Amino acid sequence: DAKTTQPPSMDCAEGRAANLPCNHSTISGNEYVYWYRQIHSQGPQYIIHGLKNNETNEMASLIITEDRKSSTLILPHATLRDTAVYYCIVRFRLSGGYQKVTFGTGTKLQVIP
Amino acid sequence: GAVVSQHPSWVICKSGTSVKIECRSLDFQATTMFWYRQFPKQSLMLMATSNEGSKATYEQGVEKDKFLINHASLTLSTLTVTSAHPEDSSFYICSADSGGQGGWVQPQHFGDGTRLSIL
Repeated sequence: DAKTTQPPSMDCAEGRAANLPCNHSTISGNEYVYWYRQIHSQGPQYIIHGLKNNETNEMASLIITEDRKSSTLILPHATLRDTAVYYCIVRFRLSGGYQKVTFGTGTKLQVIP
Repeated sequence: GAVVSQHPSWVICKSGTSVKIECRSLDFQATTMFWYRQFPKQSLMLMATSNEGSKATYEQGVEKDKFLINHASLTLSTLTVTSAHPEDSSFYICSADSGGQGGWVQPQHFGDGTRLSIL
């Protein structure tokens, strides 16, 4: 099972890009990387996911290294509402339908005015 | 779209009682549902995974007789904490994925959690 590690906290100035790293050095070939964020102990909110290619959507970009051992979530223009705990997750599915989901330790992102 | 509703959002009960938490997918059919537990200032820990109509698969260290999971329909899964004790107090969160065209890779959608306090 892949284990993910993240820095415990980061600050980012409002309007600047926030780059949140995640290390998943033991990831296997069929494990996907997902990013979620959690605000005030609500349920996590989906942001983006990928396997090996870089991905972009309306919320963020995901950069996955070629060896897939790490990834970076990029919030292009951070706002105060982006203050949250960001989780990097790896997920895979075995034959028979069993899924394994491993949450990272999370990074508390503080966006500063 | 892709809304997951969890009920109740907060429950306080006496030690020794059983508590049932419901997780519903409101606008999609959930082929797989997941139950997590989160202690204060910690990450989410997966407890079990359930597919509709099948027995749940529990993670190592999670007592299946203590945490009963039922996934009887494509829109409802329940977690029952039996004979709850203060150490079971935690934030319990469910999630669901729809499978669909993208299969299991589709993102999970999370409920807003249930805060369980056992006195």
